[in-house]
Amino acid sequence: DIQMTQSPSTLSASVGDRVTITCRASQSISSWLAWYQQKPGKAPKLLIYKSSTLETWAPSRFSGSGSGTEFTFTINSLQPDDFASYYCQQYDTYPWTFGQGTKVEIK
Amino acid sequence: QAQIQQWGAGLLKPSETLSLTCVVYGGSFNGYYWTWIRQSPGKGLECIGEINHRGSTRYSPSLKSRVTISVDASKNQFSLKMTSLTAADTAVYFCARGPNSDWYRDGMDVWGQGTTVTVSS
Repeated sequence: DIQMTQSPSTLSASVGDRVTITCRASQSISSWLAWYQQKPGKAPKLLIYKSSTLETWAPSRFSGSGSGTEFTFTINSLQPDDFASYYCQQYDTYPWTFGQGTKVEIK
Repeated sequence: QAQIQQWGAGLLKPSETLSLTCVVYGGSFNGYYWTWIRQSPGKGLECIGEINHRGSTRYSPSLKSRVTISVDASKNQFSLKMTSLTAADTAVYFCARGPNSDWYRDGMDVWGQGTTVTVSS
């Protein structure tokens, strides 16, 4: 299985901050990477697919980049609604695998 | 806009069989892969397996021996069965659309609400 290493596991930030999460794959996954947001008690919601394509519902302060094995997810100007957990997922090679997640907390 | 509703028993005993079903409302059922995922504090998010409307399946190697995913395309439904449950199978189980379809590879964009499954004697 492809291992997805996501960091940091927890991030403390304030409203208006720029936050960055990284995700590394154990082998190349081209651009087949998605990012999900999850709030407590809810299912994950797709934010970004194909490394950098924003879902239609997602605000433009969210962005993603990278290819191969190194990927970055950024929130520009963190908003109160953004405090949640975020997961990367590769869908290049089955079985699809997820990173361990990053919890974005209020500082 | 597609929506998924899921249901199934939430409290099971060791060695019993888990049975969950998802139904898809709105949007197209055919052409997509439909995936089962589970989430536990210890193992995070884990893909269990997937199926398409033709019944073509793929399973996670670590669970393959205990899992069967089936489809009833006439009812826009797909189901999960997992046998020989242990406490390690305690998790929230989700169903979702994607990440692939006959046309795109766009991630898992529609999710069920989740079912909490507890395995305990």
